[in-house]
Amino acid sequence: IAGITQAPTSQILAAGRRMTLRCTQDMRHNAMYWYRQDLGLGLRLIHYSNTAGTTGKGEVPDGYSVSRANTDDFPLTLASAVPSQTSVYFCASSPGEVNGGPLHFGNGTRLTVT
Amino acid sequence: GQNIDQPTEMTATEGAIVQINCTYQTSGFNGLFWYQQHAGEAPTFLSYNVLDGLEEKGRFSSFLSRSKGYSYLLLKELQMKDSASYLCAVTDSNYQLIWGAGTKLIIKP
Repeated sequence: IAGITQAPTSQILAAGRRMTLRCTQDMRHNAMYWYRQDLGLGLRLIHYSNTAGTTGKGEVPDGYSVSRANTDDFPLTLASAVPSQTSVYFCASSPGEVNGGPLHFGNGTRLTVT
Repeated sequence: GQNIDQPTEMTATEGAIVQINCTYQTSGFNGLFWYQQHAGEAPTFLSYNVLDGLEEKGRFSSFLSRSKGYSYLLLKELQMKDSASYLCAVTDSNYQLIWGAGTKLIIKP
């Protein structure tokens, strides 16, 4: 089934630990994104990628890093987790240029940092 | 700054019609999206408006007025499964996507 796969579905993480959230798409979309969603706030962009090999910072990039080694994979790494990074994380993709069309979202990763 | 305003929560009755408004102030405009998000799930794309007017798609319609910085999502013949949050998002002149906080729609029998 075509779409975006995120892993893990949920995770409880001790503060200070390193964590990588995985995201894979099979739609051959050029653009990919990582968002976080917190209660009462709109989706906030963490990082994005226009195409394999390129990445850019979004609205809230601090504490996060990404890589885009190929078209399909776009992992998000928290180098040293802090409680304020407790959130639901969504990976998304879109065809063409960044924000040039509708976004397709993965099912999300619910992360709790204790 | 750039901003999108939507009501936080709305309640409607099954079978009725509801209109969810979205107003925006952005640096330029390159399109407006509506997404539906059921609790605990991912947002899914509903509609896209780039020109003024009404776009109809089954029970859902979306309207845009660029001069007023205003859009609405109209849901007809409401069903219980329409209970969800509805997210408005605008692409500005730099193709940055600005998101509203979403409107939680509660459908009562």
